[in-house]
Amino acid sequence: NAGVTQTPKFQVLKTGQSMTLQCAQDMNHNSMYWYRQDPGMGLRLIYYSASEGTTDKGEVPNGYNVSRLNKREFSLRLESAAPSQTSVYFCASRRPGTGNTEAFFGQGTRLTVV
Amino acid sequence: GNSVTQMEGPVTLSEEAFLTINCTYTATGYPSLFWYVQYPGEGLQLLLKATKADDKGSNKGFEATYRKETTSFHLEKGSVQVSDSAVYFCALRWTSGTYKYIFGTGTRLKVLA
Repeated sequence: NAGVTQTPKFQVLKTGQSMTLQCAQDMNHNSMYWYRQDPGMGLRLIYYSASEGTTDKGEVPNGYNVSRLNKREFSLRLESAAPSQTSVYFCASRRPGTGNTEAFFGQGTRLTVV
Repeated sequence: GNSVTQMEGPVTLSEEAFLTINCTYTATGYPSLFWYVQYPGEGLQLLLKATKADDKGSNKGFEATYRKETTSFHLEKGSVQVSDSAVYFCALRWTSGTYKYIFGTGTRLKVLA
C-alpha cells in the first residue's frame, strides 16, 4: 500500500520562486493536512482540509495556499518563497470517524530556500 | 489554549535502560492522545494511542497511560534497544468540532550499544 505519497522529496528554491508540493493518499481518507517541521518547534499546522472542496487555515498559513483537488490530492503552494520557509513539510491524512483515529504521514519534503 | 508539552531532549541511554519521556497537555474537553515516532529521514508513524481516561496504549514494548487527573501521557519502555533511536512526538486531538492535531516539540532519543 502506498499510503501518503509526497513529491518531491527534496527541493532547493531561490528567494521569490514559486513551487507546488504535491500530496496524494490512496486510503480514501476525508481529512488531509499540511504541517511544517522546524527544529525545536515540532510540527505546526499550515492548512487542513476536512473533506473534498473545503480548506481551512492552521497555525501558520501565511505565505502558503492550498488546493484540495479531489479526495486523493491536497497540494501546497508557495507563491514567492522566502528563506523563513526553509523547513521539512509533511502531508498527512485521516480516515473518517471519531477523534480516536490517527493521522498517517508522508515521508516529507525537505525544502531549502536560498 | 490547547497545547502539548514534552520534555526536552536529547535523551541518551544505554541499551536495556528504562525510558520515560514526559508529556503533559492542556485541553478543553476530552482529547484523544497519541505518541508518534519519527525515524531518521522518514515521516511520522503512530506508535500508540489512548482515547479516554485510564486507557493504556501499548506497542512494541512502549506504553503510555492517559492520566486525566494529572493531564499526562508519559511514554515508557522497560528496556530500550539501539533501534529505538528516533524522535518521539506526543500529540492530542479533540474528539469533536475540529479536525486538528496538536503536536509537542518532539524528544530525540539516542540509544547507545
